[in-house]
Amino acid sequence: LAKTTQPISMDSYEGQEVNITCSHNNIATNDYITWYQQFPSQGPRFIIQGYKTKVTNEVASLFIPADRKSSTLSLPRVSLSDTAVYYCLLQGGKLIFGQGTELSVKP
Amino acid sequence: SAVISQKPSRDICQRGTSLTIQCQVDSQVTMMFWYRQQPGQSLTLIATANQGSEATYESGFVIDKFPISRPNLTFSTLTVSNMSPEDSSIYLCSVEGGGVRNTEAFFGQGTRLTVV
Repeated sequence: LAKTTQPISMDSYEGQEVNITCSHNNIATNDYITWYQQFPSQGPRFIIQGYKTKVTNEVASLFIPADRKSSTLSLPRVSLSDTAVYYCLLQGGKLIFGQGTELSVKP
Repeated sequence: SAVISQKPSRDICQRGTSLTIQCQVDSQVTMMFWYRQQPGQSLTLIATANQGSEATYESGFVIDKFPISRPNLTFSTLTVSNMSPEDSSIYLCSVEGGGVRNTEAFFGQGTRLTVV
């Protein structure tokens, strides 16, 4: 069983900030929260990883509250090329994928 | 980072036959993983392949149907045996580690299999 729950789909417009929230109530102490992006006909690609508080890199930010039972991926100013499926995973061993969130960015 | 090459990229096969998918990594890795992604679905882990030992299969997957080889630290194969149309999927190879974040996973482009 997947350990995470995400919205199935989201719509946005170019230039907007998109926040995708993931629930992981049974997160283990040694689990890292990791997000992957997948375009059609490609394998998933790593976006960002965090353990607690806030992590930011060149493409996204990851917000994790103190209890670590949820996390939010924030994509600033999305473009059409950000249309993809986004997966939230708990990484502490083998990767188990949940259903993912299909993000559609419209002009 | 790790670069993964999968072969073939796609194939159309007759039911009842078998197909072997190859996964080559440009660096030595301890663990390699095989996934299946059915059309419009998420990825499902088939098995974990460690060099020098038998692969560990997830629930619902068996060695007779999906035999795996791991002859060295840079190569693995997955065979889809006695295929049926239900086996039509994308099969992906993945490895962990090799990046700045040592738990980052890298994926191949996948093998798109169609069984007719």
